[in-house]
Amino acid sequence: QVHLVQSGTEVRRPGASVKVSCKVAGTTLTASSLHWVRQAPGKGLEWMGYFDPEDGETISAQRFQGRVSMTDDASTDTAYMELRSLRSDDTAVYYCARIVGDLGLGHFDSWGQGTLVTVSS
Amino acid sequence: DIQMTQSPLSLSASVGARVTVTCQASQDITHYLNWYQHKPGLAPKLLIYDASNLQTGVPSRFNGSGSGTDFTLTISGLQPEDVATYYCQQCDNHPVTFGQGTRLEI
Repeated sequence: QVHLVQSGTEVRRPGASVKVSCKVAGTTLTASSLHWVRQAPGKGLEWMGYFDPEDGETISAQRFQGRVSMTDDASTDTAYMELRSLRSDDTAVYYCARIVGDLGLGHFDSWGQGTLVTVSS
Repeated sequence: DIQMTQSPLSLSASVGARVTVTCQASQDITHYLNWYQHKPGLAPKLLIYDASNLQTGVPSRFNGSGSGTDFTLTISGLQPEDVATYYCQQCDNHPVTFGQGTRLEI
């Protein structure tokens, strides 16, 4: 059974960066494709993007382009999401989720427990 | 981007009732539609994938149907533990998009 374990709560000032980790257990990172989804307070789920190991690039939603980096470390079965130039509206719970499908599309069958990131001065 | 519109955005029903949530896509997504259940403080949970396939371990009272642009999630015999927000998600085209969510109360 796949289990995704995320890093803990973070608090940052506006303009800072945050890096959230997601460790895969029960399988390997290379056998998985992990995406990142967030939920701001009182809002719905928002897809952020994923790391494409074929190209070594971050594929992200347009609103995050230039501000987000997603990476994989196969040696530790850990995926990372770094968000820069944080704003107050980046306050959210950030989830990693495994996608089952092809070409970065499909359904999310396993989720991490979520990481709360609070951006406040 | 494909827009996903859910209705209603909130509803209240009694234990044992039959509940229906609809999701409409802004363009044809064939059967590439998934449903999730999200409870406060927990991770979202996959219920239905590819419009009508029940995820392993999900109770059979959950049913998904539809194709093209119009989809439905039905809960037959509502249970207290079904209190949650339900989201649809399309996976036909990049970027993946979610509906706004439907909050279900007992």
